[in-house]
Amino acid sequence: GQSLEQPSEVTAVEGAIVQINCTYQTSGFYGLSWYQQHDGGAPTFLSYNALDGLEETGRFSSFLSRSDSYGYLLLQELQMKDSASYFCAVRRQAGTALIFGKGTTLSVSS
Amino acid sequence: SQTIHQWPATLVQPVGSPLSLECTVEGTSNPNLYWYRQAAGRGLQLLFYSVGIGQISSEVPQNLSASRPQDRQFILSSKKLLLSDSGFYLCAWSHFGTTRAYEQYFGPGTRLTVT
Repeated sequence: GQSLEQPSEVTAVEGAIVQINCTYQTSGFYGLSWYQQHDGGAPTFLSYNALDGLEETGRFSSFLSRSDSYGYLLLQELQMKDSASYFCAVRRQAGTALIFGKGTTLSVSS
Repeated sequence: SQTIHQWPATLVQPVGSPLSLECTVEGTSNPNLYWYRQAAGRGLQLLFYSVGIGQISSEVPQNLSASRPQDRQFILSSKKLLLSDSGFYLCAWSHFGTTRAYEQYFGPGTRLTVT
């Protein structure tokens, strides 16, 4: 089977840096994706790592270590609008469907 | 550009009533389509996905069903709703094939309350 583990909650202050970890167990690996979901809204795609290393997109970066079955999302210069839930996801071995983690709720305070 | 539509935005239905949620995608051909359900404060549960017209893979063998009558139309149905069917239903699409399956685009969702 496939499963993903991520912390349920993270808190931080504006301007800080926060890291949201994700560990996964898969029978085949096709990359790790990250999604953001604001309260009441739909998830939106943030980033994707197929290979080891760091991918940077503005204030957000995502890291992957395939040997450790581990990845993280790094959010820098936190803003109040970054308060949201963040999900990691892996593609199923067969087909195109993604399996999502249970999500990490990030609360940013001033 | 691509757009995904879902309706209705909110729905309140009595237990035992039928359900039909519709999702359409514009601006792309042969998309992979997905239905997810999200309980309050929880993660995304994959319900169904489809890689083509009439091709439905089911992840949840309960009282829900899905159909894809047209290339860019995906319908979620139930003959008799249960209280446990309450939740936030999200339709999503990804580009044809598996190469970009990691990037899914979600509709605005339908918030269903079964009373």
